[in-house]
Amino acid sequence: DAKTTQPPSMDCAEGRAANLPCNHSTISGNEYVYWYRQIHSQGPQYIIHGLKNNETNEMASLIITEDRKSSTLILPHATLRDTAVYYCIVRVAIGANNLFFGTGTRLTVIP
Amino acid sequence: DSGVTQTPKHLITATGQRVTLRCSPRSGDLSVYWYQQSLDQGLQFLIHYYNGEERAKGNILERFSAQQFPDLHSELNLSSLELGDSALYFCASSVAPGFEQYFGPGTRLTVT
Repeated sequence: DAKTTQPPSMDCAEGRAANLPCNHSTISGNEYVYWYRQIHSQGPQYIIHGLKNNETNEMASLIITEDRKSSTLILPHATLRDTAVYYCIVRVAIGANNLFFGTGTRLTVIP
Repeated sequence: DSGVTQTPKHLITATGQRVTLRCSPRSGDLSVYWYQQSLDQGLQFLIHYYNGEERAKGNILERFSAQQFPDLHSELNLSSLELGDSALYFCASSVAPGFEQYFGPGTRLTVT
């Protein structure tokens, strides 16, 4: 699976959009971009994933650049409950086994 | 609530002992994964079972073993425990390999 690079930490004002970047310059054509988050010591929570098109669900939007070498997770209206470590993971989908969690981005939402 | 349940929530035991952690996957999920999260190692994949069969192994010690039963619940057995085994142990499940994984709340193991 391709490696990812994320900033170690970010702050965001409550109510504003949080934009979390991820670089995955060695991504292969059959690899998807997944985002998970972990709030304190809770179990990681699946957020969203995509291959090349932008994706949106009730939690977030995922914007993938045309060359697929980077992506941005957008939380449109951050709340204090969105404070967590966010992990960007690149992996093949079919037959894949584990998720490789790097160090992620610690997002702090400030009141 | 992810639908994945894990018991017990907390476990305190002594070095050299053996413990069993239990995981019930979401209804309909056939894959179960185990992960370990310690302070200095982050989240590490241990093992994956799919429909009762071992599918992949990660950084799982020989002192650790797991199995998935016909009703699809899984157990992770940790033996000859050492202080360094103190960690959070998470179970995750998915419909099948390659699909998004949903994590349980974890079991916090403390070895004294």
